[in-house]
Amino acid sequence: QSVLTQPPSVSGTPGQRVTISCTGSSSSIGAGYDVHWYQQLPGTAPKLLIYGNTDRPSGVPDRFSGSKSGTSASLAITGLQAEDEAYYFCQSYDAALSAHVVFGGGTKLTVL
Amino acid sequence: EVQLVESGGGLIQPGGSQRLSCEASGFIVSNNYMNWVRQAPGKGLEWVSVIYSGGTTYYADSVKGRFTISRDNSKNTLYLQMDSLRVEDTAVYYCAREGPYYDRSGHQFAPDVFDVWGQGTTVTVSS
Repeated sequence: QSVLTQPPSVSGTPGQRVTISCTGSSSSIGAGYDVHWYQQLPGTAPKLLIYGNTDRPSGVPDRFSGSKSGTSASLAITGLQAEDEAYYFCQSYDAALSAHVVFGGGTKLTVL
Repeated sequence: EVQLVESGGGLIQPGGSQRLSCEASGFIVSNNYMNWVRQAPGKGLEWVSVIYSGGTTYYADSVKGRFTISRDNSKNTLYLQMDSLRVEDTAVYYCAREGPYYDRSGHQFAPDVFDVWGQGTTVTVSS
């Protein structure tokens, strides 16, 4: 069971907007630690998608955006495209644990 | 080009040992924090171990005392020595570079960002 909770799956049709939540606790996201998001396309390594809750590395389309409030963070994808079908993971830190970093369980995005 | 390439995975019997390698190009391993992260079949990502640029190491409780992270500066390569392997260690193992990222005001984000990942190497522990 992951420290950060994500929905196992979400889906949408091309052009739609979808959101993926990442729920932590008062010792992780709620304590002010930042959230980063990674995209894992089928059969590939994770790739940095959003860092510092809201920022995009160069090359990531502005269709992807992140937000954080309280003990949760969210990833939003607008103008959904077929190539967005992938797993998405959130990452943060939990001061109550000895782990260097913690990850969410991952969310599989299906483009219908 | 900044790149990480893992190798060394395979089929190992429970109780056995295996060493994974992660060769870096385009940057110097010893100047960075380097991590191992694993992904069991159908599961999420699990942080395994980190080695700081100064040499300090940390491990997940699930592998502490069994796994050892190290690096060879002359080969610019990161390693993970895995001993007393268990069935539950079956996973794809990724190496990842960790780096500090900052916002516009110079505030460093915490935790650091895993900004370069290898393609992964598969370890299967089974009799």
